[in-house]
Amino acid sequence: QKEVEQNSGPLSVPEGAIASLNCTYSDRGSQSFFWYRQYSGKSPELIMFIYSNGDKEDGRFTAQLNKASQYVSLLIRDSQPSDSATYLCAPWRGGGGADGLTFGKGTHLIIQP
Amino acid sequence: KAGVTQTPRYLIKTRGQQVTLSCSPISGHRSVSWYQQTPGQGLQFLFEYFSETQRNKGNFPGRFSGRQFSNSRSEMNVSTLELGDSALYLCASSLAGGGTYEQYFGPGTRLTVT
Repeated sequence: QKEVEQNSGPLSVPEGAIASLNCTYSDRGSQSFFWYRQYSGKSPELIMFIYSNGDKEDGRFTAQLNKASQYVSLLIRDSQPSDSATYLCAPWRGGGGADGLTFGKGTHLIIQP
Repeated sequence: KAGVTQTPRYLIKTRGQQVTLSCSPISGHRSVSWYQQTPGQGLQFLFEYFSETQRNKGNFPGRFSGRQFSNSRSEMNVSTLELGDSALYLCASSLAGGGTYEQYFGPGTRLTVT
């Protein structure tokens, strides 16, 4: 049984601060990791993906992966009120694209102006 | 490039009826996956199609089925609807090849079963 754990929150962060979102997963065969952002009433939007151990930066977002610890995180620098959303972590095993994503329940992030 | 489109956006059905949802992937994408999202269970994988073939299936009853056409458009069918089938149904398309497997979601179809 693949499990993905995320703190459901809400996680409240002041505007301009760093928001840190964490995710642990049970499937050691996971190869890639996706972070999606979902605004209330909208569909998930892919914001970051990471394949290798270490850090990957894209604008204000940094994804960090530690496969040995089965842990992936997302840092959002200079948080803006528009970052307020639910963030979903999805490890992916691979398999030529056939395997579906297994999602965590998501962390509800609130950026306070 | 146009994104993933889904029709209809909203649907209200009665228990026992059946429903068909449609998904058009991003141009050039050959893989379409379907997901169900509910407040209690979150986002759950239903099945994935590639080149008109179902390659993988999640843990859902046989009432849930799908197909994919030669132009990569996909349909999902739910027969004998139950109240618990009320959910947001999302499809996601992927290039699924050349080292690119990211999935991009459509806006979803909100199904309400009464």
